[in-house]
Amino acid sequence: GENVEQHPSTLSVQEGDSAVIKCTYSDSASNYFPWYKQELGKRPQLIIDIRSNVGEKKDQRIAVTLNKTAKHFSLHITETQPEDSAVYFCAASILGGSARQLTFGSGTQLTVLP
Amino acid sequence: GAVVSQHPSRVICKSGTSVKIECRSLDFQATTMFWYRQFPKQSLMLMATSNEGSKATYEQGVEKDKFLINHASLTLSTLTVTSAHPEDSSFYICSARERTYNYGYTFGSGTRLTVV
Repeated sequence: GENVEQHPSTLSVQEGDSAVIKCTYSDSASNYFPWYKQELGKRPQLIIDIRSNVGEKKDQRIAVTLNKTAKHFSLHITETQPEDSAVYFCAASILGGSARQLTFGSGTQLTVLP
Repeated sequence: GAVVSQHPSRVICKSGTSVKIECRSLDFQATTMFWYRQFPKQSLMLMATSNEGSKATYEQGVEKDKFLINHASLTLSTLTVTSAHPEDSSFYICSARERTYNYGYTFGSGTRLTVV
């Protein structure tokens, strides 16, 4: 089955700086890579996703890059703000055919220091 | 957008009792429901996958007789934790998918189970 590894486990940045979180996956059949933000006791919130036919996607301060050959993808947050502080999870799945589960990375606790 | 309603949000039960958690898709047909468990400061771990009208498929290490999953309709799936023990205390969350993927993965709001 799929295995997703995520680094770092904790990340502290100064407000206004950029934050980068990296993930690798093992199953070359995976073609859908979402990123979630989770606040304590809440459900994961989708912040951005990318499919395997795209190398990069950007939404305002958030961007995701995908390297299919190396099987890794990264989340980039620019101009970080204190409200960006949360746990971020990457995930991988296979879209198409029968529904497949999301396999999550281990999570990154991001702290943005004011 | 797609919404999954999960209840209860919090429950405290005595050791040995059973607890039922419900997830309802409000505006789409949840052909597949995924049930996850999340321990404090850990990731979401898949417990089981259920397709409407079929028996659930459990992940390795998850006891099917302890965690009963019912997905009898396209809008309702339930997880019953039977004979709960303190080690079952966790955050349980469902995630629904609609067949045509129009709504991606939609998460319920989660249930914080505490077994005392």
